[in-house]
Amino acid sequence: EVKLVEFGGGLVEPGRSLRLSCTTSGFRFSDYAMSWFRQAPGKGLEWVGFIRGKPFGGTTDYAASVRGRCSISIDDYKGIAYLQLNSLKTEDTAVYFCSRGRRQYCSGGNCYSNGFDFWGQGTMVTVSS
Amino acid sequence: QSVLAQPPSMSGAPGQGVTISCTGSFSNIGAGYDVHWYQQLPGTAPKLLIYENKYRPSGVPDRFSGSKSGTSASLAISGLQAEDEADYYCQSYDSSLGDYVFGAGTKVTVL
Repeated sequence: EVKLVEFGGGLVEPGRSLRLSCTTSGFRFSDYAMSWFRQAPGKGLEWVGFIRGKPFGGTTDYAASVRGRCSISIDDYKGIAYLQLNSLKTEDTAVYFCSRGRRQYCSGGNCYSNGFDFWGQGTMVTVSS
Repeated sequence: QSVLAQPPSMSGAPGQGVTISCTGSFSNIGAGYDVHWYQQLPGTAPKLLIYENKYRPSGVPDRFSGSKSGTSASLAISGLQAEDEADYYCQSYDSSLGDYVFGAGTKVTVL
C-alpha cells in the first residue's frame, strides 16, 4: 500500500525558515518524482515544486511564487522528500501536501510528471508574528 | 486568477448528472498537455479521479468520466450520489509558466 505522511508544520514567524518532511512507503521511491503542493485556507490547490525521479536526473523545478526561497531534496535510502522554505511570508500560510508523480515522461528537452496519484494528508503551516 | 477556468459551483439532484468544464489556452491544454482531475472531500487530501484526460484509476466508479478537446476538458459525473459532494480540480502543465497549473475548483453540491 502506497502511503505518504507529512511532518513539520506549525506556527512560524515571518522571515524564518521551515523544513517539511514527507515519509513514504509502499513503492520504489527512487523511481518516482515527488511534488509539493499547498492550499491556503479556503482557497484552491497550488503547485509549489517538484523533484524528478533518479531515472530522470533528480532535478528540481519550482513555482514562481517560491522560486529562490524554496528547495526540495530527497533521502533515497529512507524514502523521504523534504521541502525547505525560507524567508517565510504570511501568504505562505497553507496546508502543504506532498504527492507522488504518477508517470514521468520527457519531451522537448524537459521531463514532466503526468498527474499526481498519491497524496499525503497534509501539514498546516501558519506564518504569523 | 487561475490559469485554468472552472465554474465555481454546480449542483444536481441525486441520480442526475453534472459536467464540469475546464478551459485553458494554447500554452497548456491546447499545447497537448494532458488534463487530470482531482476530487477533494471536505477536510481531506485531493484524490486523483481522472488521469490523462479520460482514464480512471483503479477504484474510481465509472460514473466519473473525462474528455478533452482543443483548449478545454470536461469532467462528467452521472448518477450523482451524496458522497460526490466535494471540490473538483482540473490540472495540467503550462509551458509558458513552466508550472503545473490548476483550476480554481468547482464545488459540487448534491441537492
